[in-house]
Amino acid sequence: SQQGEEDPQALSIQEGENATMNCSYKTSINNLQWYRQNSGRGLVHLILIRSNEREKHSGRLRVTLDTSKKSSSLLITASRAADTASYFCATGALVSGNTPLVFGKGTRLSVIA
Amino acid sequence: DGGITQSPKYLFRKEGQNVTLSCEQNLNHDAMYWYRQDPGQGLRLIYYSQIVNDFQKGDIAEGYSVSREKKESFPLTVTSAQKNPTAFYLCASSMTGVASPLHFGNGTRLTVT
Repeated sequence: SQQGEEDPQALSIQEGENATMNCSYKTSINNLQWYRQNSGRGLVHLILIRSNEREKHSGRLRVTLDTSKKSSSLLITASRAADTASYFCATGALVSGNTPLVFGKGTRLSVIA
Repeated sequence: DGGITQSPKYLFRKEGQNVTLSCEQNLNHDAMYWYRQDPGQGLRLIYYSQIVNDFQKGDIAEGYSVSREKKESFPLTVTSAQKNPTAFYLCASSMTGVASPLHFGNGTRLTVT
C-alpha cells in the first residue's frame, strides 16, 4: 500500500532556483521522512519531521508538515546540479511498534546548470 | 565504515531459476527490510525483520522468501513463483523504535529472461 503521493512527478529548474516538492498522505502518522535517490543507487535519508512539528530545517532543506491537510512539502533552496535526483516521502504510521515506513512514488528533480 | 552491503550489483537469471540476493549490515541494527522498486514506481515492501529468527510479510511477499539467522544478514530469495521478478531490489536497516530513519544499500538490479 502506498501512503504518500508526491507532486509533481517531475520537476526541472535552473541552477540557483528553489525547488518545492509536495507529499500528501492518507492516514494518521507519527512522523514523515524525506529521502533522496541518485540514479541507480540506494536512498539516503534527508530529514525527519514528527507529527507534533510544523517545520524543520537542515542546511538548504526546509520541510513543513500540515497534519490537518495530511501534507508535507520539501523546499530545496539555491539548487545545484548535484541536487538532481529523485526525492521520496515516507510515512511512519501512528501505531505502536516498529511498523515499516510506507514510501510514495517520488518526484524526479532535474537541476540544469 | 559502517553501512549496508548488497551483492551482487547486477544479477542475470533464466526464468524458472531461484536466485538469492545478499544483504549484510554492520550498523548493529535490529530491523532489516527488503523493498522492490520498478520504473516510475515507489518502493514496495517485500519482507521485514525486527529481530533475529523472526520476519513478517510486506505488501508483495508472494514469490519471495527470506531468512534472518544472524543480526547482520537478511538474504532474499526470489523464487520461480514470482511472476515478474525483473526489478531493482533495495535492502535497508534501522534501529527499532518509532521514527528511526532507514539506511539503504545500493541495490541489486535483477534481470530474469
